[in-house]
Amino acid sequence: AQKITQTQPGMFVQEKEAVTLDCTYDTSDPSYGLFWYKQPSSGEMIFLIYQGSYDQQNATEGRYSLNFQKARKSANLVISASQLGDSAMYFCAMRDSVWSNFGNEKLTFGTGTRLTIIP
Amino acid sequence: SAVISQKPSRDICQRGTSLTIQCQVDSQVTMMFWYRQQPGQSLTLIATANQGSEATYESGFVIDKFPISRPNLTFSTLTVSNMSPEDSSIYLCSVKAHGRAEETQYFGPGTRLLVL
Repeated sequence: AQKITQTQPGMFVQEKEAVTLDCTYDTSDPSYGLFWYKQPSSGEMIFLIYQGSYDQQNATEGRYSLNFQKARKSANLVISASQLGDSAMYFCAMRDSVWSNFGNEKLTFGTGTRLTIIP
Repeated sequence: SAVISQKPSRDICQRGTSLTIQCQVDSQVTMMFWYRQQPGQSLTLIATANQGSEATYESGFVIDKFPISRPNLTFSTLTVSNMSPEDSSIYLCSVKAHGRAEETQYFGPGTRLLVL
């Protein structure tokens, strides 16, 4: 069964506006980690932000923040003041434990959202 | 985060041949992973490359098709054997850095493979 769901295959956003990329997940384990990656057309996967299931506060990294709603099992990525360089594919991923150790390293990825920033 | 390089960055191969992809990290890492991203698709884990032991393969992937080596803590190779057009994908290695909990995986730039 798919564990990560990204319902927006594509989004178009005006430059300088904020954008929210949706991600919902499914797990019965109380311990898990959530990640967002950016993949430009070059193909590399760039780590953006991490949220652990026990974290009390939403994660932030510069213009990126993660809107973590545990009860709703959602982990939406918010990009403030979007820039043309933000145009890329964005993937949400989950690891089946907060603690990274042998045996539970696997990241399960969603299908991604293609974000296009319009000048 | 670690600096990860992959060789080759891209290749075009004939069906039935094999290609070995290299992944080099600038620091020692405990675990390295190989992912496949088929055209227009998400990433799927092929296997975990363990230093000093055999790789651990995910369901649907076998050692005969995707042999992996991990001779030390900074290097790994993935071979795509007896290729067919269905193997056309981006192949990415990733690493988990040594030590801390709550670590993430950092990815290399990927190898774009086209099989004709």
